[in-house]
Amino acid sequence: KAGVTQTPRYLIKTRGQQVTLSCSPISGHRSVSWYQQTPGQGLQFLFEYFSETQRNKGNFPGRFSGRQFSNSRSEMNVSTLELGDSALYLCASSLTGGAYEQYFGPGTRLTVT
Amino acid sequence: GESVGLHLPTLSVQEGDNSIINCAYSNSASDYFIWYKQESGKGPQFIIDIRSNMDKRQGQRVTVLLNKTVKHLSLQIAATQPGDSAVYFCAENTGGFKTIFGAGTRLFVKA
Repeated sequence: KAGVTQTPRYLIKTRGQQVTLSCSPISGHRSVSWYQQTPGQGLQFLFEYFSETQRNKGNFPGRFSGRQFSNSRSEMNVSTLELGDSALYLCASSLTGGAYEQYFGPGTRLTVT
Repeated sequence: GESVGLHLPTLSVQEGDNSIINCAYSNSASDYFIWYKQESGKGPQFIIDIRSNMDKRQGQRVTVLLNKTVKHLSLQIAATQPGDSAVYFCAENTGGFKTIFGAGTRLFVKA
């Protein structure tokens, strides 16, 4: 069974731009969660989607948004990029959501200059 | 954000020794806990989990201990190998489909 895939793997953007990251979950998984990982703040929860509905959201500004499609693929968008948005963005999929049996993708490394 | 801690503690052990990695979790209502291993350039990988109605669970070479009284979780790795070198994270399911991760511990295994 194929694992969680994320595209692109690396991205360089400039301040003020926006970016869209994509995540394809494991086949059959309906929950996708997104996390931001930085050296200073560690792994922080962004949001979780299940069957196209956002069920929870972390403490991030409204510039961070996401969505999930009917095939369970998910995208997250960051608008008006700031230098502090430079991070590894990870998505994880699971059958039911929450922390239960989450499988992570390799992440997208975003650098904002 | 809601992550715990800013600095990454480091544990250095000799190959073949046992390793113990500790974690203090934040929410007394959390009902499920997981340990992940993250190698450089990769996403976190599931190691072992434990539900709040248990205090110990064993896997292959790994054991997780849960002390709800002091909100403490530990991961024990038996006969540590060079391939165990990585960053280890504990995580808790706080309900509402949200997962909170600890700061992580970097494990170095000396050959």
